[in-house]
Amino acid sequence: DAGVIQSPRHEVTEMGQEVTLRCKPISGHNSLFWYRQTMMRGLELLIYFNNNVPIDDSGMPEDRFSAKMPNASFSTLKIQPSEPRDSAVYFCASSPGTGFEQYFGPGTRLTVT
Amino acid sequence: QKEVEQNSGPLSVPEGAIASLNCTYSDRGSQSFFWYRQYSGKSPELIMFIYSNGDKEDGRFTAQLNKASQYVSLLIRDSQPSDSATYLCAVNTQAGTALIFGKGTTLSVSS
Repeated sequence: DAGVIQSPRHEVTEMGQEVTLRCKPISGHNSLFWYRQTMMRGLELLIYFNNNVPIDDSGMPEDRFSAKMPNASFSTLKIQPSEPRDSAVYFCASSPGTGFEQYFGPGTRLTVT
Repeated sequence: QKEVEQNSGPLSVPEGAIASLNCTYSDRGSQSFFWYRQYSGKSPELIMFIYSNGDKEDGRFTAQLNKASQYVSLLIRDSQPSDSATYLCAVNTQAGTALIFGKGTTLSVSS
């Protein structure tokens, strides 16, 4: 079975540009999570969805960040406008349900110059 | 604030030794516990989960849970250099919520 798929794997962009990260969860999983990881702050939960509905977005740092899950097999995380401090690795994870084990995608390494 | 605490390390052990990684959590109502391994530059990989008090063994790995002490640990027997990674502890505090991750312990196994 295919695991969680993320694209792009690497993104380099200039400050002020819009960035869209994409995620395809494992088929049959009901929950999807977006994380950001930096050396300083570790793994931070940004937002999670259950059955395509956003449940908790309290980890989204600013209004510049938005996430959508239009269907069970696709989610996006958008940053507009991007800033250098957004540089991090962004992971998407999916789970059979919240509270169960999560499976992580390979991540997107974002660099904002 | 529900918290999951881990010693950041690094924890250094010689090849063949037992590595013991520890994690404490603040919410007494926590129900399920997970250990992830993350190699440098890679994504976290689930290696074990445990729901009940006691020990759970899987190959060279043993997870130990003590809910009374709010403590979960991971033992790695016969440590290998390939076990060198950061180990993340994650806790589910109540059904229907997301996991809370610790900041991880870095393990270094020297040959």
